[in-house]
Amino acid sequence: NAGVMQNPRHLVRRRGQEARLRCSPMKGHSHVYWYRQLPEEGLKFMVYLQKENIIDESGMPKERFSAEFPKEGPSILRIQQVVRGDSAAYFCASSPQGVPPDQNTEAFFGQGTRLTVV
Amino acid sequence: QKEVEQNSGPLSVPEGAIASLNCTYSDRGSQSFFWYRQYSGKSPELIMFIYSNGDKEDGRFTAQLNKASQYVSLLIRDSQPSDSATYLCAVTDTNDYKLSFGAGTTVTVRA
Repeated sequence: NAGVMQNPRHLVRRRGQEARLRCSPMKGHSHVYWYRQLPEEGLKFMVYLQKENIIDESGMPKERFSAEFPKEGPSILRIQQVVRGDSAAYFCASSPQGVPPDQNTEAFFGQGTRLTVV
Repeated sequence: QKEVEQNSGPLSVPEGAIASLNCTYSDRGSQSFFWYRQYSGKSPELIMFIYSNGDKEDGRFTAQLNKASQYVSLLIRDSQPSDSATYLCAVTDTNDYKLSFGAGTTVTVRA
């Protein structure tokens, strides 16, 4: 029973390029959350998606960032025209249902994608 | 997002001692409280959650919640070198799926 799978684990992009981060939720989970962790900071919520729907994108920067969770395939976090300030670890979490996490609906985190913009 | 503050680290404790981690939160509406452990370069891993005032014990871990003081803590008894990690406090309210995290406290257990 594979956990939340994120790829790539490490991604290096030059300023101005596009970054695509992928997240495959745990089997049976249809709710995906993306968090960003800047160096020396805690995780910050970015976006919450269900299959084919963005439920809450209140944590997403207004420009250059987008997310999707298609009917088939992984969730994608896309960052266009990356800048050095985008360098961070991006974590995806999934849960079986979109309720506050508790012992029955714990959100499991993937290993993260560490984006470095040079 | 809700503000969540954790005591600044790093926290260094000898093996076998008690490590005490503190967390305060700004939103009185917060209802659910979580402690995650994150090893360097790894994903956060849920180790404790607490909803009611008082203490909750799980093995060597004890979470303490005081909603009146907007304070939640984590005690690690008989600390082991394998407990060396960053501990993240997270809160959410009853109707919110978004976790608000503190910046974390790094714990080092000296053998």
